[in-house]
Amino acid sequence: DGGITQSPKYLFRKEGQNVTLSCEQNLNHDAMYWYRQDPGQGLRLIYYSQIVNDFQKGDIAEGYSVSREKKESFPLTVTSAQKNPTAFYLCASSIDRREWETEAFFGQGTRLTVV
Amino acid sequence: ELKVEQNPLFLSMQEGKNYTIYCNYSTTSDRLYWYRQDPGKSLESLFVLLSNGAVKQEGRLMASLDTKARLSTLHITAAVHDLSATYFCAVDGADRGSTLGRLYFGRGTQLTVWP
Repeated sequence: DGGITQSPKYLFRKEGQNVTLSCEQNLNHDAMYWYRQDPGQGLRLIYYSQIVNDFQKGDIAEGYSVSREKKESFPLTVTSAQKNPTAFYLCASSIDRREWETEAFFGQGTRLTVV
Repeated sequence: ELKVEQNPLFLSMQEGKNYTIYCNYSTTSDRLYWYRQDPGKSLESLFVLLSNGAVKQEGRLMASLDTKARLSTLHITAAVHDLSATYFCAVDGADRGSTLGRLYFGRGTQLTVWP
């Protein structure tokens, strides 16, 4: 079945530690996105990528890094520079053909907690 | 920056009743999305609205878009308990002519339907 797979589902990070969240899709989608969700809030865009080896900062990129070495994969690293990383992280992908009725499909999310 | 406002943020309604959720946004956009989120889960796409006057219906939910007023509505007809969830509207903030969409989300409307 086609879809977006995020792992792990739960992740615990110690102070000063970098952690990487995985996102893989087999939908053959061009565009991939990382969003952060805090309780009672909407989603905010961290990074997005339209093609392999290219990505752009979203609204809250500080303290995060990404790579796009393969079309299927868009991992997110939460660095020690991110002072408040506890949140629910959602990866999404879309076809990115603006003449189509495109929509973003979301993975199941990773809940990151600082301990 | 594009702002998206939803109201109400919390909605408690009795089964069988009707109600409308409102989504206002601050700048011109030609795409608006409605998503559903169950507690601790990912986002499920409900509707994609692409043009002024667009109306879509699925079961007890109907969404509409007025691009001139920068307003979308999600109308609930004869609510049932299974509709209890958080509903988000999201607006595509990409510049006209660009190929990549980036979504701006409202804070969500937490809907509880009781017997």
